[in-house]
Amino acid sequence: DAKTTQPPSMDCAEGRAANLPCNHSTISGNEYVYWYRQIHSQGPQYIIHGLKNNETNEMASLIITEDRKSSTLILPHATLRDTAVYYCIVRVAWANNLFFGTGTRLTVIP
Amino acid sequence: DTGVSQDPRHKITKRGQNVTFRCDPISEHNRLYWYRQTLGQGPEFLTYFQNEAQLEKSRLLSDRFSAERPKGSFSTLEIQRTEQGDSAMYLCASSLGLADGYNEQFFGPGTRLTVL
Repeated sequence: DAKTTQPPSMDCAEGRAANLPCNHSTISGNEYVYWYRQIHSQGPQYIIHGLKNNETNEMASLIITEDRKSSTLILPHATLRDTAVYYCIVRVAWANNLFFGTGTRLTVIP
Repeated sequence: DTGVSQDPRHKITKRGQNVTFRCDPISEHNRLYWYRQTLGQGPEFLTYFQNEAQLEKSRLLSDRFSAERPKGSFSTLEIQRTEQGDSAMYLCASSLGLADGYNEQFFGPGTRLTVL
């Protein structure tokens, strides 16, 4: 699986949009971009995934650049409950494991 | 609650003792995964099962570690002769075993092991 690079930490004001970047310059054509998050003392939680097109669900939006070498996870209106470590993962759909890396620690500030 | 459950949530043991953790996946999921997470790091893959068959093992899974899923439902992870370096959070996840599609993994709350 391709490697990803994420900033170690970010802050965001409550109610504002949180934009979490991820670089995956070595991504191959059949690899998807997945985002998980891990709230303190809990297991990771799936957020969203995409291949080429931008994706949106009830939790977040995923913007993937045209060359697919980077992506941004957007939490449109961050709340205190969104404070967590966010992991960007690239993998083929049928891969059996997830390579998490160290992620981005997002702190939502009141 | 129909999520992934793990037992116990916390385990403290002395070095050299054996420990066993249990994971109950979501009932219709036929794939089950074990991960280990140390402080400040993301989870690291250990092994996965398709039904009762253990199909992949990470090099992190030393000879002291053994995982089973005897009836294709719950799974156990045993660590023999524990070492202080085994102290970590042990996470279990499950997913549907779709042959050619995306398999979202649902994680349990983890078992935190402390080896004294």
